[in-house]
Amino acid sequence: NAGVTQTPKFQVLKTGQSMTLQCAQDMNHEYMSWYRQDPGMGLRLIHYSVGAGITDQGEVPNGYNVSRSTTEDFPLRLLSAAPSQTSVYFCASSYSENQPQHFGDGTRLSIL
Amino acid sequence: GQQVMQIPQYQHVQEGEDFTTYCNSSTTLSNIQWYKQRPGGHPVFLIQLVKSGEVKKQKRLTFQFGEAKKNSSLHITATQTTDVGTYFCAGSRGTYKYIFGTGTRLKVLA
Repeated sequence: NAGVTQTPKFQVLKTGQSMTLQCAQDMNHEYMSWYRQDPGMGLRLIHYSVGAGITDQGEVPNGYNVSRSTTEDFPLRLLSAAPSQTSVYFCASSYSENQPQHFGDGTRLSIL
Repeated sequence: GQQVMQIPQYQHVQEGEDFTTYCNSSTTLSNIQWYKQRPGGHPVFLIQLVKSGEVKKQKRLTFQFGEAKKNSSLHITATQTTDVGTYFCAGSRGTYKYIFGTGTRLKVLA
């Protein structure tokens, strides 16, 4: 099993560009989340999903969109990249709301 | 909104010394999880606490959940160089919406 796979691992964008960060898990987990990690700020929840077709906002959702059309995939879309979105993005999945979260290796995103 | 604070932000210890990090929530939690992140890596689950006053041990690591379910602590006895990393708590109010603490970065000097 691959666990949680995030692509790409690194990306550089220009301000105003759009892109999609991919996240896939092969553990048949219903619950998935996106976090961003900035130096000294821990992990902040962007969006999360409790099953296919169900998404909700986290702490910092502005500028990001998500959808969950399958159990396996939970892509994160940046609509119009801004320098403030430079960060490391982690995707996580879990069997249920009170089970361990399994994290991917992260995507390091720089916006110029 | 819900906030989770963690102290200290940094801790440098000599190998063999003990280490403790504290986590405090602004609201009562349903459960709290602890994670460890090595430099350049991703968070890795350590443990989950659910019951008021709960204490769990993993070898040299001791985790506590406060009676009011608003605070928690992680204590490492006799630190080793392999303990280096950042330790995060993450609290939930009963949903999948976990709020992470700011983390405590541990450095162990050999």
